[in-house]
Amino acid sequence: AQKITQTQPGMFVQEKEAVTLDCTYDTSDPSYGLFWYKQPSSGEMIFLIYQGSYDQQNATEGRYSLNFQKARKSANLVISASQLGDSAMYFCAMKEVSNTGKLIFGQGTTLQVKP
Amino acid sequence: DAGVIQSPRHEVTEMGQEVTLRCKPISGHDYLFWYRQTMMRGLELLIYFNNNVPIDDSGMPEDRFSAKMPNASFSTLKIQPSEPRDSAVYFCASSTRTLSTDTQYFGPGTRLTVL
Repeated sequence: AQKITQTQPGMFVQEKEAVTLDCTYDTSDPSYGLFWYKQPSSGEMIFLIYQGSYDQQNATEGRYSLNFQKARKSANLVISASQLGDSAMYFCAMKEVSNTGKLIFGQGTTLQVKP
Repeated sequence: DAGVIQSPRHEVTEMGQEVTLRCKPISGHDYLFWYRQTMMRGLELLIYFNNNVPIDDSGMPEDRFSAKMPNASFSTLKIQPSEPRDSAVYFCASSTRTLSTDTQYFGPGTRLTVL
């Protein structure tokens, strides 16, 4: 079974608008972390934002926020005021305390920002 | 501060040749990870080290792959002999701990092409 599911292979958004990238996860571990990474066309993996399973509030980092719904096991990334430089592949990933070290990635969502 | 450094950035070799990929983790990070990214399989963890000791190598595809970490600031991933199906982007990442709260920071990757 997929531990991390990103159902949107590709997304388009108009510049300056907000966009939500979906991520659902599957774990029975009560302690885990959720991460989002950005991979632009140049290929590097850039860490964006982290959410811990026990965190009471949704994580935010500048224009990035994580809409964490624990009961639904979803951790959607929200990018506000999209910029052309946001065009990239976005990966959701999970790390379980019981499975230390293993960062499990979803298949990714390609985001294209239109001018 | 310098991030994770990988070399070479690109490698083209012929089937049967030995390939060595190199990684320098972020100073002070005691966990080092090797990942492989392909279109078919996405991002997958190959092996990770803690304090220079291999902890989990269950992701190493076969005996042709080996990894070493002779000291805290250097690791190698070797493929011998290389095959066309090894063509992929290989990432090295490092972190301070491997509990769910700790972020892995990735290097720029090595794009390997085996002809």
